[in-house]
Amino acid sequence: AQTVTQSQPEMSVQEAETVTLSCTYDTSESDYYLFWYKQPPSRQMILVIRQEAYKQQNATENRFSVNFQKAAKSFSLKISDSQLGDAAMYFCAYRDGDNAGNMLTFGGGTRLMVKP
Amino acid sequence: GAVVSQHPSWVICKSGTSVKIECRSLDFQATTMFWYRQFPKQSLMLMATSNEGSKATYEQGVEKDKFLINHASLTLSTLTVTSAHPEDSSFYICSAPDTGAQYFGPGTRLTVL
Repeated sequence: AQTVTQSQPEMSVQEAETVTLSCTYDTSESDYYLFWYKQPPSRQMILVIRQEAYKQQNATENRFSVNFQKAAKSFSLKISDSQLGDAAMYFCAYRDGDNAGNMLTFGGGTRLMVKP
Repeated sequence: GAVVSQHPSWVICKSGTSVKIECRSLDFQATTMFWYRQFPKQSLMLMATSNEGSKATYEQGVEKDKFLINHASLTLSTLTVTSAHPEDSSFYICSAPDTGAQYFGPGTRLTVL
């Protein structure tokens, strides 16, 4: 079974600085997707960024980017120019294959605090 | 991104009663939807996969007779917590896949007195 591990229960960053959240996963599949979701205090899960395993290029979405190391099975999220609104729980998630109807496996989450 | 709604957002009920939670995909169709449970400060735990036109698939340890799932149409799935007890109090979230990702509803907070 696939597993996703987030080794940092909590992280903090100064406003306007950069922070990196770690995620590792274990799978024997070659075709899969990886995601980062944000869950603010409202508890609404918001898709931040996605990465297809077959793509070597790291995904970026504005201030959010990933460092995808397929051989190391590592998928870290970098948040640049951190803002107060970035404070939230961040979950790394894994999905087999390219069928969006396949289930997600979540990591335990990292709570990000942003200091003004 | 795609929009998923849930209703109600918060429900309080007495022990022994049943509660129905609705999950709707508003601007897309979903043959599959997922139901999760989340305890405070924890990750999401998949309860079941809802399949339009067929029976739901439950994760190990989830009582199918207690958590009834019906995928009535391509835009609606319902979760009914039957004979609710205080230990069923939790935050329930649904999701539906669209364009390569899963999109989540805003969640339902269930409190059983």
